[in-house]
Amino acid sequence: QQQVKQSPQSLIVQKGGISIINCAYENTAFDYFPWYQQFPGKGPALLIAIRPDVSEKKEGRFTISFNKSAKQFSLHIMDSQPGDSATYFCAASKSSGGYQKVTFGTGTKLQVIP
Amino acid sequence: KAGVTQTPRYLIKTRGQQVTLSCSPISGHRSVSWYQQTPGQGLQFLFEYFSETQRNKGNFPGRFSGRQFSNSRSEMNVSTLELGDSALYLCASSLDQGNAEAFFGQGTRLTVV
Repeated sequence: QQQVKQSPQSLIVQKGGISIINCAYENTAFDYFPWYQQFPGKGPALLIAIRPDVSEKKEGRFTISFNKSAKQFSLHIMDSQPGDSATYFCAASKSSGGYQKVTFGTGTKLQVIP
Repeated sequence: KAGVTQTPRYLIKTRGQQVTLSCSPISGHRSVSWYQQTPGQGLQFLFEYFSETQRNKGNFPGRFSGRQFSNSRSEMNVSTLELGDSALYLCASSLDQGNAEAFFGQGTRLTVV
């Protein structure tokens, strides 16, 4: 019930293309879904997050799509750039109160080639 | 505002030794979580501390322990080190417990030889 499944494990996208990373969860109690971006030698950094009361959230070139009934959410990176090359982690959590820990996906290594 | 600070950045230890890692959270953050990151296993949750109490624990053996001080700084200890403990250990701080809006430090790269 605590798993978050992330795919693909790695992704190569041409510069200017769209990068899509998918995640699926099991625990319907999750109510906060962040995405983290990690560059080599750095810790993960919060990129964008969504709550299940909305189906989409957009920040610049980054968009999260959320499908509550399917228990799936995805990250879309529009006009992908070489600087976006990093590892991306999705996560899920129950954000208010309680003791539930954040559960991370296994990560997607994105490479954007010129 | 200073970010999450982890020390040391790099550490080499021998099998059987013990190690202590330190984490200073963002000022005002009361929750500190620890994660182990390895190429094969991704980010694995170790434990979370809030108000000096361990609130959550992952599936790691008792050799992994931690504590939090009154100023929210946290330490993580690994005893009887094994080769498989070689990993990047990440600390994340957040305002409250179980908060996914977490801010990570750069991590401590532990190598066990």
